[in-house]
Amino acid sequence: KQEVTQIPAALSVPEGENLVLNCSFTDSAIYNLQWFRQDPGKGLTSLLLIQSSQREQTSGRLNASLDKSSGRSTLYIAASQPGDSATYLCAVGGSARQLTFGSGTQLTVLP
Amino acid sequence: DAGVIQSPRHEVTEMGQEVTLRCKPISGHDYLFWYRQTMMRGLELLIYFNNNVPIDDSGMPEDRFSAKMPNASFSTLKIQPSEPRDSAVYFCASSPHRGSYEQYFGPGTRLTVT
Repeated sequence: KQEVTQIPAALSVPEGENLVLNCSFTDSAIYNLQWFRQDPGKGLTSLLLIQSSQREQTSGRLNASLDKSSGRSTLYIAASQPGDSATYLCAVGGSARQLTFGSGTQLTVLP
Repeated sequence: DAGVIQSPRHEVTEMGQEVTLRCKPISGHDYLFWYRQTMMRGLELLIYFNNNVPIDDSGMPEDRFSAKMPNASFSTLKIQPSEPRDSAVYFCASSPHRGSYEQYFGPGTRLTVT
């Protein structure tokens, strides 16, 4: 059974810092990996999706990497802003399309 | 496209009552997923459909939960009878048949059972 772990559970940084969120998974036989953002009381917004054959994906100030063999992914956020404050969720996709979620990292960017 | 639509957004009910949650997936998406989010267990997949057919319902917690997808544009998740431990946010997501398998989530239904 796939297990997904996100460290740290919470992170507080001053505005402008570059930061890295970590995600690890136990079964390397994945189809894809998705990073989501969740604002309090809201739904999930997809940020980046990396296929199992890819090493990284970029969107604006966000960069996600994937190392399948070691069971790790990172989400890099450049020049953080207060508007980036949210919970970031990592989800691993299996071949049957099911997503297994981590417990999330709650990010606070201080102005 | 309006995205995945869920209703109601909030539901408060008393223990023992029947609860029905509704979802309209993105037009053209062949896959529909129901998730539940709680503080204790995080996000869990309950059931998913492909072309209106249930594929995997192993995440449905017990017989009090049932889900249907009568057509490509509508799905329901029903809880009967409801219990306080069912209180959670229930999300619906959809995904296209081809491409990246990316899942698109609705805004969720916050269910409170008193």
